[in-house]
Amino acid sequence: NAGVMQNPRHLVRRRGQEARLRCSPMKGHSHVYWYRQLPEEGLKFMVYLQKENIIDESGMPKERFSAEFPKEGPSILRIQQVVRGDSAAYFCASSPQDRGTNYGYTFGSGTRLTVV
Amino acid sequence: AQSVTQLDSHVSVSEGTPVLLRCNYSSSYSPSLFWYVQHPNKGLQLLLKYTSAATLVKGINGFEAEFKKSETSFHLTKPSAHMSDAAEYFCVVSGFRGRANQAGTALIFGKGTTLSVSS
Repeated sequence: NAGVMQNPRHLVRRRGQEARLRCSPMKGHSHVYWYRQLPEEGLKFMVYLQKENIIDESGMPKERFSAEFPKEGPSILRIQQVVRGDSAAYFCASSPQDRGTNYGYTFGSGTRLTVV
Repeated sequence: AQSVTQLDSHVSVSEGTPVLLRCNYSSSYSPSLFWYVQHPNKGLQLLLKYTSAATLVKGINGFEAEFKKSETSFHLTKPSAHMSDAAEYFCVVSGFRGRANQAGTALIFGKGTTLSVSS
């Protein structure tokens, strides 16, 4: 049973380009969460998705950022027109359906985005 | 609102000596609390979690943490440090969105404590 898979592990983009980060949840998990870790900071919640549905995007910047979790395939975090301040590690976590706050989410290894 | 404060940004110990990483939390309800570890350029690994059962929680790699409601603390300890314990440690409280026991509540992370272990 593979864990949460994120790719790519490292991504370098020039300012103004688009970044697409992918997350495949654990088998049987239908909830996906995206977190961002800025340098020397803890992780900050960005967005929570179920299949084909955004449940909570209160942590997402209002512009340039979007997320989806289609019926088939991985969840995608998309950042348009990247800027240097987007450089961070982006982590994805997943959990099964109908699990409550007691569940310790399983995180992927993250995608480290560098904007040059 | 929920919040978590890690009292030390950096802790240095010698191999074989005890480890204490301090964490205080704030929560308007009975929280779930976690400790995660992150080794350099690696993902996050769950060390242990408290979910309103026993107040002394044992985790992996010899770590344990004690939930003290009166002190709103959830300090992480280990009797004897090993070189491989050098990493970043995050104290986490489960945030609350919507109904209780609803999946998808956000995790609120502390800023982390870097543990250095010298030989």
